[in-house]
Amino acid sequence: EVQLVQSGAEVKKPGESLKISCKGSGYSFTSYWIGWVRQMPGKGLEWMGIIYPGDSDTRYSPSFQGQVTISADKSISTAYLQWSSLKASDTAMYYCARLWDLGVTTSPWDYWGQGTLVTVSS
Amino acid sequence: QSVLTQPPSVSGAPGQRVTISCTGSSSNIGAGYDVHWYQQLPGTAPKLLIYGNSNRPSGVPDRFSGSKSGTSASLAITGLQAEDEADYYCQSYDSSLSPWVFGGGTKLTVL
Repeated sequence: EVQLVQSGAEVKKPGESLKISCKGSGYSFTSYWIGWVRQMPGKGLEWMGIIYPGDSDTRYSPSFQGQVTISADKSISTAYLQWSSLKASDTAMYYCARLWDLGVTTSPWDYWGQGTLVTVSS
Repeated sequence: QSVLTQPPSVSGAPGQRVTISCTGSSSNIGAGYDVHWYQQLPGTAPKLLIYGNSNRPSGVPDRFSGSKSGTSASLAITGLQAEDEADYYCQSYDSSLSPWVFGGGTKLTVL
């Protein structure tokens, strides 16, 4: 059974750093792109970036380029999303999701993690 | 403002049929890229509902169907049930610097 299990909720202060994780199981972790999606309170879904764990090829949405870093450790089948200096506006639910292997331009996000709630408040 | 446009809300009575539209442009849906739909039940992660415009993943009831024409796509739900009350998002690929684009989401209320 394919599963993406994310790390738990975080409460941080502005300016602090944070790294959240997404562990894949039940499939070949290195063979599928993993993406990160932000959902701000009461709002819709925004694609942030994507990584191919097989070779760590990473792409970012222009809206998030320079604001976050996406990485992966294929030895433990885990992808990461990190911030070096959090802002209050980073408060949101963050989801990881697997891109189905139907071709990059045609694939949906077929499996999703349960989400990690990040709260940034002084 | 989302790249794909959806109505903020739709509603219907149990047993009725509702449709949710998703309007894009020549750089995404109109360019021939597939449209996918996700269902997000309250307090849960999104779940893939329709992929490749009209295909249902295993386990999704055939009450859900999708279609695409030109620069738009639609999700139809027949035989509406209380458990269908959720937010629905369309998603496609865009030939821009931010390729994976979502609609703003539509809240379905079952009256």
